Amino acid sequence: GNSVTQMEGPVTLSEEAFLTINCTYTATGYPSLFWYVQYPGEGLQLLLKATKADDKGSNKGFEATYRKETTSFHLEKGSVQVSDSAVYFCALGFRAGTALIFGKGTTLSVSS
Amino acid sequence: NAGVTQTPKFQVLKTGQSMTLQCAQDMNHEYMSWYRQDPGMGLRLIHYSVGAGITDQGEVPNGYNVSRSTTEDFPLRLLSAAPSQTSVYFCASSLGVSDQPQHFGDGTRLSIL
Repeated sequence: GNSVTQMEGPVTLSEEAFLTINCTYTATGYPSLFWYVQYPGEGLQLLLKATKADDKGSNKGFEATYRKETTSFHLEKGSVQVSDSAVYFCALGFRAGTALIFGKGTTLSVSS
Repeated sequence: NAGVTQTPKFQVLKTGQSMTLQCAQDMNHEYMSWYRQDPGMGLRLIHYSVGAGITDQGEVPNGYNVSRSTTEDFPLRLLSAAPSQTSVYFCASSLGVSDQPQHFGDGTRLSIL
């Protein structure tokens, strides 16, 4: 079946540190891949997306590259800020699918 | 532009009570869905709808009903609340089905005593 696996958190970093949150997927076919972010007390917001192999999604300094050969979509940021503290969800979806399939989420905590 | 609006934001129920969680969107999106979020479980799909008059079950539909009489509204009904339904509920909508970005509401935090 289709599934998404994320690294378990929490991830605790100091401000300006480099961030990587690993995401791998299992899928039959060619899904679109997404990263969503959830700030405390809020709903999920789309952070970035990629629709085909080798695409790079980017937004607000975050990047992720769709790697078909390793079935991965790792989230990276060169210098995190305290305001990046949130829960990050990796997800996949198919054009003819019924819903996004989410990973379990990774909590990021950034301290100054 | 309100986006996806969920009401109420918080609710406490007693076991056996029924209630309706409201969800409305003003983006003319055909696709709407309900998820529940539990610690360590991520988001799990309860029900979804691909248009007015069309609904279907997701991964965890038991104990919940939905209807879609208009494009804008997609209410979720708890028929007889149970403590296992204590969760945070999110409604989402999108233009297409699941390869399009989903727009989420801010959630309803529901406690069943």
